[in-house]
Amino acid sequence: DAMVIQNPRYQVTQFGKPVTLSCSQTLNHNVMYWYQQKSSQAPKLLFHYYDKDFNNEADTPDNFQSRRPNTSFCFLDIRSPGLGDAAMYLCATSREGRQGGTQHFGDGTRLSIL
Amino acid sequence: AQSVTQLGSHVSVSEGALVLLRCNYSSSVPPYLFWYVQYPNQGLQLLLKYTSAATLVKGINGFEAEFKKSETSFHLTKPSAHMSDAAEYFCAVSDPGGSQGNLIFGKGTKLSVKP
Repeated sequence: DAMVIQNPRYQVTQFGKPVTLSCSQTLNHNVMYWYQQKSSQAPKLLFHYYDKDFNNEADTPDNFQSRRPNTSFCFLDIRSPGLGDAAMYLCATSREGRQGGTQHFGDGTRLSIL
Repeated sequence: AQSVTQLGSHVSVSEGALVLLRCNYSSSVPPYLFWYVQYPNQGLQLLLKYTSAATLVKGINGFEAEFKKSETSFHLTKPSAHMSDAAEYFCAVSDPGGSQGNLIFGKGTKLSVKP
């Protein structure tokens, strides 16, 4: 089945130690999104790629970076995680990113900071 | 600016009872509206979406929602709750000012189903 896969499902890192979360998709979708979701809150968009074009949300901290080496893969890098970055990180894709398009989500990576 | 308000952060129903989850939106242009469901420790799954076709939208798992422009609402209903419906539900609107179909989510409603 075509899908969005996030690895790992659970990630523990130390305060200030860089961490990378990965997302892959077999849907061949143009657009890939990264969301941060804290406990009992709505997902918050961090940034997205339309093909190779990177679009950062205005309030996304500089600590968060992303890479998309090809259509199938996208990475979220947190350069110096703080305690406030503990959250579920969700990757999503959509075919063209047009208004009304469906986003397909992975199961997320839950990040804990020690 | 677009926004979505979900009334009630927690809703509890008995198995077999009607499920009603409320969502109101604000939009200066015709909106695209979505309902997503999230089970514990999982991603979001699309239940249904409104994209200016029929105002009554049927989705998966027996859910449906009705777009009412006069009330700026898009409430989610299911005639008979099942234990497996216990999850968190998010209403979302496409952000016409954003690019590439960005979604603005409501704060979510957690649905509990009692046996």
